[in-house]
Amino acid sequence: GAVVSQHPSWVICKSGTSVKIECRSLDFQATTMFWYRQFPKQSLMLMATSNEGSKATYEQGVEKDKFLINHASLTLSTLTVTSAHPEDSSFYICSAGGGKNTEAFFGQGTRLTVV
Amino acid sequence: DAKTTQPPSMDCAEGRAANLPCNHSTISGNEYVYWYRQIHSQGPQYIIHGLKNNETNEMASLIITEDRKSSTLILPHATLRDTAVYYCIVREWGNKLVFGAGTILRVKS
Repeated sequence: GAVVSQHPSWVICKSGTSVKIECRSLDFQATTMFWYRQFPKQSLMLMATSNEGSKATYEQGVEKDKFLINHASLTLSTLTVTSAHPEDSSFYICSAGGGKNTEAFFGQGTRLTVV
Repeated sequence: DAKTTQPPSMDCAEGRAANLPCNHSTISGNEYVYWYRQIHSQGPQYIIHGLKNNETNEMASLIITEDRKSSTLILPHATLRDTAVYYCIVREWGNKLVFGAGTILRVKS
């Protein structure tokens, strides 16, 4: 299947700093990518839909000014967690693909720990 | 909100078939049934999807009832590496995937 790569796999940052997570589709072009967050022992929660060349669409309750999404090319979307706090510590996962009658592919996830 | 209902957990003996049920009684005509699984601390892995016909691939089989209100994912010969959380999701073409709680499958030797 298609490959979606996230970077970094894990990151530790200090409270108040910003962290950028990259999501790349390696062998296909993705006009749409999705960002999820997963807390321990919970399911994936959709945060936002990243649209190439336009603004992201955020799910209800997700702060767009805190979680900045940029989808500047057909193979790259980035999620920036701004002014991170310990409660932002989570597993962040992106997905790409999933167009007409096709499956979506997921990155390996990024473990963010804010100290 | 997730549109599916799955049992919270199931056990299966290694080498036996694992049958994971999913109810999706409100599924609409243009929604597909997708199955993904997530092994601990990894991103979800696609397994299979279908619209109304039964489907089979190298990983699993998907059996969808005629009224499409429920389905069963079958792992024909479960191994210890199949231990994971299995998610059943209904989705229209190109729409976002909304995950429910899933089923924790424990394959035991």
